[in-house]
Amino acid sequence: QVQLQESGPGLVKPSETLSLTCTVSGGSISSSNYNWGWIRQPPGKGLEWVGSIYYTGSTYYSPSLKSRVTISVDPSKKQFSLKLSSVTAADTAVYYCARQGSAGSDYWGQGTLVTVSS
Amino acid sequence: QSVLTQPPSVSGAPGQRVTVSCTGSSSNIGADYDVHWYQQLPGTAPKLLIYANNNRPSGVPDRISGSKSGTSASLAITGLQAEDEADYYCQSYDTGLSAWVFGGGTKLTVL
Repeated sequence: QVQLQESGPGLVKPSETLSLTCTVSGGSISSSNYNWGWIRQPPGKGLEWVGSIYYTGSTYYSPSLKSRVTISVDPSKKQFSLKLSSVTAADTAVYYCARQGSAGSDYWGQGTLVTVSS
Repeated sequence: QSVLTQPPSVSGAPGQRVTVSCTGSSSNIGADYDVHWYQQLPGTAPKLLIYANNNRPSGVPDRISGSKSGTSASLAITGLQAEDEADYYCQSYDTGLSAWVFGGGTKLTVL
């Protein structure tokens, strides 16, 4: 059973960089069939795709966040990471990591709330 | 404003049938990209409910189904149960944006 677990600070100051890591267990992060993605959900609002990465390092970013987002992968640690720079209160959200394939996002982490506040 | 449009809410009595629509355009659903549906219970991560328009993952009951036609897709739930009360999201790919996109979500209330 594939499991994903997000980790990182729950509180980030405005203008600083949000950093999260997703650790994958129970399956290979190097599978050719999947991308590994980040999706966020502001409190009381809907889902927003942030970006995704393939195990080779190819990245795909949301156009609205592209200038501030960096996603990286470390297959040896079975981890992929999200960095979002110059954060504001609008970036406060639950951040989910998920496995993405042609059959949708079939495995998700439990999510982690990141609050942007001084 | 979401690229994929869903009604904010739908409701139905136990045992009834409800549908949730997801309207896109020629750059996403109409461009023959697959539609996936997710169920999100309060305080939990989304769960894949329907993949590739009309396929159910293992464990999803057959009273839940999906369809797609033209620039729209629909999720149908028959034999409504209290446990179906949740938020539902559609997802597809948009070639104009080069991005995966979600609908705004629909809250299903079981009366």
